[in-house]
Amino acid sequence: DQQVKQNSPSLSVQEGRISILNCDYTNSMFDYFLWYKKYPAEGPTFLISISSIKDKNEDGRFTVFLNKSAKHLSLHIVPSQPGDSAVYFCAASGYSGAGSYQLTFGKGTKLSVIP
Amino acid sequence: EAGVTQSPTHLIKTRGQQVTLRCSPISGHTSVYWYQQALGLGLQFLLWYDEGEERNRGNFPPRFSGRQFPNYSSELNVNALELEDSALYLCASSLAAAGGFTDTQYFGPGTRLTVL
Repeated sequence: DQQVKQNSPSLSVQEGRISILNCDYTNSMFDYFLWYKKYPAEGPTFLISISSIKDKNEDGRFTVFLNKSAKHLSLHIVPSQPGDSAVYFCAASGYSGAGSYQLTFGKGTKLSVIP
Repeated sequence: EAGVTQSPTHLIKTRGQQVTLRCSPISGHTSVYWYQQALGLGLQFLLWYDEGEERNRGNFPPRFSGRQFPNYSSELNVNALELEDSALYLCASSLAAAGGFTDTQYFGPGTRLTVL
């Protein structure tokens, strides 16, 4: 049972336009959400996070929106740059239902920003 | 400041063998996490160590084990390797073992394990 879902395996966006990456979750016990970016041959790097008490968090070109009622979050990148081309992982933290807290990742969305 | 380091970078083993992967956290970080990323899957949480103790483990069989040393470095051991253990194994570290995994985790480059 996949608790964090990124339904789009890939996304292509023109340079300068907005990139929107989506993530859905099923576990209502998740209370903290993170986005990680991963370049080939490197480990994921933390991008931005949001607590469940907020509905928006902004950091430069990156904004994460959280819709708790829909169990949905999205990452907006504006404007998109070729260097943003990477795989983006959505992650959620909270009680996992297995008796403990865990950080659960989605499968990732590969973003390609076309110059 | 040096990041999280992992060794080896690549490893090829045969089914039934045992493997040990190593991770050195960022200086000052006490928590170490292990993840498995198999082909087509997201990162799957394996193990979490803090201050030398195993704090949590994911839904993996007991043949996946590890330990954390006094210098906070960590080893991941996998016994009786199976073909489906072929994956990228990522180690991450964080400053503190806050509940809920809210501390930012810094990842190493990973070890690519291939089981033949």
